[in-house]
Amino acid sequence: AQSVTQLDSHVSVSEGTPVLLRCNYSSSYSPSLFWYVQHPNKGLQLLLKYTSAATLVKGINGFEAEFKKSETSFHLTKPSAHMSDAAEYFCVVNNRDDKIIFGKGTRLHILP
Amino acid sequence: DAMVIQNPRYQVTQFGKPVTLSCSQTLNHNVMYWYQQKSSQAPKLLFHYYDKDFNNEADTPDNFQSRRPNTSFCFLDIRSPGLGDTAMYLCATRGMRQGAYQETQYFGPGTRLLVL
Repeated sequence: AQSVTQLDSHVSVSEGTPVLLRCNYSSSYSPSLFWYVQHPNKGLQLLLKYTSAATLVKGINGFEAEFKKSETSFHLTKPSAHMSDAAEYFCVVNNRDDKIIFGKGTRLHILP
Repeated sequence: DAMVIQNPRYQVTQFGKPVTLSCSQTLNHNVMYWYQQKSSQAPKLLFHYYDKDFNNEADTPDNFQSRRPNTSFCFLDIRSPGLGDTAMYLCATRGMRQGAYQETQYFGPGTRLLVL
């Protein structure tokens, strides 16, 4: 069975400091993994995805994530946080069947 | 640009008054999904269509119905909205390639529904 665990429900960082949002997954097969961002009252925007190519994936707005099979992790990072990064972030896994599993989300707060 | 469009963006309705939310897509994707997202929660899948094949989640209330008249359009009907149905409703699409699901879902901007 598939599952996704986002380890932190809230993360607060100061503007200009690094961001780390943690995601662990469980999957019987080689999964596809995604990070989506959701700003208040908006839909979900795809930040980046891993689909069995390069393990270090670069996304939009300076975000990247590294797929680590040995740790079953797909953590999202950004070297320097910006105020506009404040949003909800969802880690998502699918196995190319019809089931898509969402993590519970991590709310990122940026402190001035 | 190819995209997923939802109308209206905001909808206010009264308790028990039927409401219909609309989703259209220009991606020509086979699969369309409807999610309900309550405040500070992850999206919850209500149902999805693979072409005209309707797939209901086991815990989706009967109050929620859907129609897909063609590839481009999908509707969510809430027959008798309750206060607990206040939420964001998200539509998403997903393509197929050579009989296999493509990896990525594409989301619309959502409809925020308020039931008074």
